[in-house]
Amino acid sequence: DSGVTQTPKHLITATGQRVTLRCSPRSGDLSVYWYQQSLDQGLQFLIQYYNGEERAKGNILERFSAQQFPDLHSELNLSSLELGDSALYFCASSRSPINEQFFGPGTRLTVL
Amino acid sequence: GQQLNQSPQSMFIQEGEDVSMNCTSSSIFNTWLWYKQDPGEGPVLLIALYKAGELTSNGRLTAQFGITRKDSFLNISASIPSDVGIYFCAGHEYGGSQGNLIFGKGTKLSVKP
Repeated sequence: DSGVTQTPKHLITATGQRVTLRCSPRSGDLSVYWYQQSLDQGLQFLIQYYNGEERAKGNILERFSAQQFPDLHSELNLSSLELGDSALYFCASSRSPINEQFFGPGTRLTVL
Repeated sequence: GQQLNQSPQSMFIQEGEDVSMNCTSSSIFNTWLWYKQDPGEGPVLLIALYKAGELTSNGRLTAQFGITRKDSFLNISASIPSDVGIYFCAGHEYGGSQGNLIFGKGTKLSVKP
């Protein structure tokens, strides 16, 4: 158990819908990262927050957004969902941006 | 964007054999991390390397940060069935966005009892 929690574990929705994925980092970790993992793309970095502020952006679509709250939990919002958004979404956390990252169990999103 | 070249893509070995996999980059990295992922689970950190030339062990696992800072390898000795999974290398690129871990595409390990 990495100490990072993610909810829900599974999510099934329809195209055009909007969903919110939630992540709680390990106790004491200030940085939160979101990754997307699909079969043919491997792990792709989406976005990073550090102590509530956006720190870095990766290959995140404009339809996706995220935030980190004062209690350091984070939410990833995916809107206008398309079939190609079906993937595993992982949250990771670290003490600081240069430290090793610990991953949560992931949310499997299926868009029908 | 930048991607790490991880090889081999897959390995099918006999229990008890040693395993070696590596990762290379065209640019310099500040850190190298090795993760293992089981199906449907999140990646689990195995070893973290922070200095060029560093050699670190974690039980039967040994990893090294290449002297050129452009490569790393992971060795698993005396493999057992529970070593089955996908192994990913990852790293922080020198001069890259802090925190942005770049991942290899993984090495899928299968172990025959």
